Amino acid sequence: DSGVTQTPKHLITATGQRVTLRCSPRSGDLSVYWYQQSLDQGLQFLIQYYNGEERAKGNILERFSAQQFPDLHSELNLSSLELGDSALYFCASSATNEQFFGPGTRLTVL
Amino acid sequence: GENVEQHPSTLSVQEGDSAVIKCTYSDSASNYFPWYKQELGKRPQLIIDIRSNVGEKKDQRIAVTLNKTAKHFSLHITETQPEDSAVYFCAASDSGVSYGKLTFGQGTILTVHP
Repeated sequence: DSGVTQTPKHLITATGQRVTLRCSPRSGDLSVYWYQQSLDQGLQFLIQYYNGEERAKGNILERFSAQQFPDLHSELNLSSLELGDSALYFCASSATNEQFFGPGTRLTVL
Repeated sequence: GENVEQHPSTLSVQEGDSAVIKCTYSDSASNYFPWYKQELGKRPQLIIDIRSNVGEKKDQRIAVTLNKTAKHFSLHITETQPEDSAVYFCAASDSGVSYGKLTFGQGTILTVHP
């Protein structure tokens, strides 16, 4: 157990819908990262927050957004969902270089 | 941006043999290189990492080597066991400008046959 938690574990929804994924980092970690894992794209960095502020952005679509709250938990919002958004979404947290991953949310868009 | 290439994509070995996975990176500013092991449907787990000021690091049966000049790093697993079967990912990070975002290789499916 890495100490990073994510909810929900599974999410099944329809195209055009909006969902919110939640992540709680390890105690004391200020950085939260979001990654998308799909079969054809591998593990792709989406976005990073540090102590409530956006720090780095990767291949994140405009339909996706994220935020980190004062208690350091983070949410990833995915809207206007398409079939191609089906993937495993991981968050990771860190205090230094080492990033520890949560169990992931498997999103299926039908 | 950073680009990480990983080879081979699949690796099959007999129990007790050694396994080697190689990665190259493109950004000379990268200074942190972790390796993750991911079992089917599970989270990536950090198994070993190396920083750019070190050439080699070992932890029991696993070791990582780094050649900064050539921009490549490798994972070595000795005395492989069936429980080593998993997907292994290398990654590179520049903890300066990019604040630690990881760029991953494509992954290597390692199968250890009993």
